[in-house]
Amino acid sequence: AQSVTQLDSHVSVSEGTPVLLRCNYSSSYSPSLFWYVQHPNKGLQLLLKYTSAATLVKGINGFEAEFKKSETSFHLTKPSAHMSDAAEYFCVVRGTGRRALTFGSGTRLQVQP
Amino acid sequence: GAGVSQSPRYKVAKRGQDVALRCDPISGHVSLFWYQQALGQGPEFLTYFQNEAQLDKSGLPSDRFFAERPEGSVSTLKIQRTQQEDSAVYLCASSRDRGNTGELFFGEGSRLTVL
Repeated sequence: AQSVTQLDSHVSVSEGTPVLLRCNYSSSYSPSLFWYVQHPNKGLQLLLKYTSAATLVKGINGFEAEFKKSETSFHLTKPSAHMSDAAEYFCVVRGTGRRALTFGSGTRLQVQP
Repeated sequence: GAGVSQSPRYKVAKRGQDVALRCDPISGHVSLFWYQQALGQGPEFLTYFQNEAQLDKSGLPSDRFFAERPEGSVSTLKIQRTQQEDSAVYLCASSRDRGNTGELFFGEGSRLTVL
């Protein structure tokens, strides 16, 4: 069975500093991995996805994530945080042959002015 | 509208009441999913439709939960004899493909509170 573990429930950064949100995955097969973002009172939105084409994946709003099989990690990064990045971020895995997505417990990103 | 629309946005039910939650997916989207999000948790899969066919209902927590999508568009999630543990946000998502890309468009959710 596939699962993801988000290592931090809360992350606080200052505006203009780098963002790192950590995610480890567990999957029996080569997984499809995603990051989704949830802004207050908004629907979940896809940030980026990994499907084995390239280990470094670029997403929307300057975010990117690197798939590291040896570390079973898929950490989300952004070079410079913006106030509008404050939201809940979910690491997500989809197992081979399944349509259901398995979400992590989420990381709340706070951006200080 | 351009996005996934869910109604009602908020629902308060007394324990034992039946509730119905509606989802209007993006027009033309083949796949429709329901997820349940408890407070402070990530969403958990409930069920999946491809057009009108319910292909996966493995996530429904009990036989009190029932979902349908009779014409392959609008979907309704029904919860019978609600319990306090059913309190959660119920999310609907749709996808233009057959659900195998993971690229879902989510609605804002229906928040159910069972007293």
